[in-house]
Amino acid sequence: QVQLQESGPGLVKPSETLSLTCAVSGYSISSGYYWGWIRQPPGKGLEWIGSIYHSGSTYYNPSLKSRVSISVDTSKNQFSLRLTSVIAADTAVYYCARQYNSGWYGGIWGQGTMVTVSS
Amino acid sequence: QSALTQPASVSGSPGQSITISCTGTSSDVGGYNYVSWYQQHPGKAPKLMIYDVSNRPSGVSNRFSGSKSGNTASLTISGLQAEDEADYYCSSYITGSALVLFGGGTKLTVL
Repeated sequence: QVQLQESGPGLVKPSETLSLTCAVSGYSISSGYYWGWIRQPPGKGLEWIGSIYHSGSTYYNPSLKSRVSISVDTSKNQFSLRLTSVIAADTAVYYCARQYNSGWYGGIWGQGTMVTVSS
Repeated sequence: QSALTQPASVSGSPGQSITISCTGTSSDVGGYNYVSWYQQHPGKAPKLMIYDVSNRPSGVSNRFSGSKSGNTASLTISGLQAEDEADYYCSSYITGSALVLFGGGTKLTVL
């Protein structure tokens, strides 16, 4: 059974860097699929942040591209998100997901982790 | 790219059918068959209900169906049940741009 689990600080100060990790169990990241990050501000809709292919190729939402990086660590079977220069509008629940190779659908999701940007 | 347009809310009585629309452009919904629908209950992660416009993942009830006409995709839920009450999001993958768009979400209330 494939499971994803997000982890990282729940509170980040404005202008600092948000860093989250998604640990994958039950499947080897290096075997395939795209792996993505999606966020949801409180009371609002979903926003795709970016995705990484198991080979390491990355794809980012143009609206966040200048501040985002996604990386994969196959030795630890996890992938990570870094979002720099955060502001209050970056406050959200952050989800990681395993995405279909075709269509990039989020087939398996983590439970999500709330990150608040505040001083 | 702008977010896809969904109605803010829809409602229906148990046993009835409802349809949620998702309107995009010829550059996203209308241009590709990579349209999906997610169900999200409060405090939970989204769950994929429909992919490739009209396909259901294993385990999803056949009461859920999807379709597309032009730049508008639709999700139909038949035989409404209390547990269907949730937020629903459409999504479109734009292969040429390697970009995923979501709709603003629709709150379904089962009366």
